[in-house]
Amino acid sequence: GIQVEQSPPDLILQEGANSTLRCNFSDSVNNLQWFHQNPWGQLINLFYIPSGTKQNGRLSATTVATERYSLLYISSSQTTDSGVYFCAVIGLTGGGNKLTFGTGTQLKVEL
Amino acid sequence: GAGVSQSPSNKVTEKGKDVELRCDPISGHTALYWYRQSLGQGLEFLIYFQGNSAPDKSGLPSDRFSAERTGGSVSTLTIQRTQQEDSAVYLCASSLDRGSEAFFGQGTRLTVV
Repeated sequence: GIQVEQSPPDLILQEGANSTLRCNFSDSVNNLQWFHQNPWGQLINLFYIPSGTKQNGRLSATTVATERYSLLYISSSQTTDSGVYFCAVIGLTGGGNKLTFGTGTQLKVEL
Repeated sequence: GAGVSQSPSNKVTEKGKDVELRCDPISGHTALYWYRQSLGQGLEFLIYFQGNSAPDKSGLPSDRFSAERTGGSVSTLTIQRTQQEDSAVYLCASSLDRGSEAFFGQGTRLTVV
């Protein structure tokens, strides 16, 4: 099935800093989503972005489908941005019935 | 409803008992997924429904696990003869159809003692 790799696995930022999280995937996709899992375990939808670029406030994301990667940008980070960021995809072929998750990036934003 | 709803929020059960977990998807969503997340781990796929049928059950870890969906809406995940290793958060998600944006419920935290 499709493989999803995220980097970095862990990230510590000072409040106000910017960061880039990366998601690589091994096959063509027809769904790519970024989620934020908050400290209470809730998965919050950030972006549905199988291709192209989107922005929402301090967050933006870009997916280059032909090169099989997606980037999540966090600008002017705040302590409330702490948590785990997951990338998840549905592959076009083989195993294309489920969202396959990466292992996540654990982000901690400090004052 | 406005979002995916799961019940109960928390469940503590004795080893060997059966449990049922419920998921109410967003109205009109045909695709429904079950995942589980053990403490500090990633999300493990269990089963996918399209309508009432389950074309992908590949993630169910043993024959103690089963799931059904009725009326193209509510789904229940049943775990028979629970074991301590079944302790985890069980998450349900739904989407308009396969490939569309998926939305997750708040999860059911299952503890087997």
